[in-house]
Amino acid sequence: GAGVSQTPSNKVTEKGKYVELRCDPISGHTALYWYRQSLGQGPEFLIYFQGTGAADDSGLPNDRFFAVRPEGSVSTLKIQRTERGDSAVYLCASSQSPAKGYEQFFGPGTRLTVL
Amino acid sequence: GQSLEQPSEVTAVEGAIVQINCTYQTSGFYGLSWYQQHDGGAPTFLSYNALDGLEETGRFSSFLSRSDSYGYLLLQELQMKDSASYFCAVRDSSASKIIFGSGTRLSIRP
Repeated sequence: GAGVSQTPSNKVTEKGKYVELRCDPISGHTALYWYRQSLGQGPEFLIYFQGTGAADDSGLPNDRFFAVRPEGSVSTLKIQRTERGDSAVYLCASSQSPAKGYEQFFGPGTRLTVL
Repeated sequence: GQSLEQPSEVTAVEGAIVQINCTYQTSGFYGLSWYQQHDGGAPTFLSYNALDGLEETGRFSSFLSRSDSYGYLLLQELQMKDSASYFCAVRDSSASKIIFGSGTRLSIRP
């Protein structure tokens, strides 16, 4: 594809529910990143994939958050038992390789609202 | 850990020059990136400095001083479309991810 795509663009859920957010990176990009961004803040790192494996998940806030990238392309961020504090824009980015991780291409984000 | 500091807001006049500073503290350092984000949009990559000195890309330039843990983004010939948030981001010791600052909101007056 031409760029990074994310679905859905908006997700409204109730506290306690489970949500899945999808990211489709640029074709051929081996590195994939998830971030969370709150209003007026910079993107907050969550997890980084190199290929199929999570190379760095140090940013995941707790065990309710989990992400997968089973075939080294599309990734899904999964949030269990959502809380109101999880409301934010979830951004996905990809880079050509880990060596070029300083230049990331971002998707439009998924705005998650937990009621 | 890492920390980055940049001004929260800057205002400038159309056609002028503005400099956005960034200081950082990190346990390991590979380089400094700059990203632009318009309201409601996605961050877009502007520049990267791994070595000391000035990198120029059109109207935008970025500078790094590793010894001072300091960098800046210089925007020349400001246009109204440059109104956006600008983030500096350090590439940390693992070199596998970048950590973003809180951003500088640039407002441009006619």
